[in-house]
Amino acid sequence: DAKTTQPPSMDCAEGRAANLPCNHSTISGNEYVYWYRQIHSQGPQYIIHGLKNNETNEMASLIITEDRKSSTLILPHATLRDTAVYYCIVRANNAGNMLTFGGGTRLMVKP
Amino acid sequence: ETGVTQSPTHLIKTRGQQVTLRCSSQSGHNTVSWYQQALGQGPQFIFQYYREEENGRGNFPPRFSGLQFPNYSSELNVNALELDDSALYLCASSRGRAGNIQYFGAGTRLSVL
Repeated sequence: DAKTTQPPSMDCAEGRAANLPCNHSTISGNEYVYWYRQIHSQGPQYIIHGLKNNETNEMASLIITEDRKSSTLILPHATLRDTAVYYCIVRANNAGNMLTFGGGTRLMVKP
Repeated sequence: ETGVTQSPTHLIKTRGQQVTLRCSSQSGHNTVSWYQQALGQGPQFIFQYYREEENGRGNFPPRFSGLQFPNYSSELNVNALELDDSALYLCASSRGRAGNIQYFGAGTRLSVL
């Protein structure tokens, strides 16, 4: 699986959009971009995933650049409960279900 | 809530002992994966079970073993515990052998003294 690079930490004001970047410059054509988050003392929670088109669900939006070398997870109106570690993971869907977690981005939402 | 339950929530063992952790998968899911998460790090893949057979393994020694039962619940067994085995152990279930979203339980916190 391709390696991802994320900033170790970010702050966001409550009510504002949180934009979390991820670099995956060595991504292969059959690899998807997945985002999970882990709130303190809980298991990781699936947020969203995509291949090359932008995706949106009730939790977030995922913007993938045209060359697929980077992506941004957008939480449109961050709340204090969105404070968590966010993991960007790339994975080929024919390679088992294994997820390779990096260090993630620790997002702190502040009042 | 993901529907994935793990037991126990916390466990304390001493070095050299053996431990069994349990996981009930989400209804309709036939694949279970186990991860180890050391303090301050991301989860590391241990192995995956699909329809009662091991189907992928990470870089963990043979003293880490598992089982999956006909109802798709699973156990993780660790023999000869070492201090470095202290971690949060996470179970994730999914539908199918590959390419599917994994849903995680809350984990079992193991402390080895």
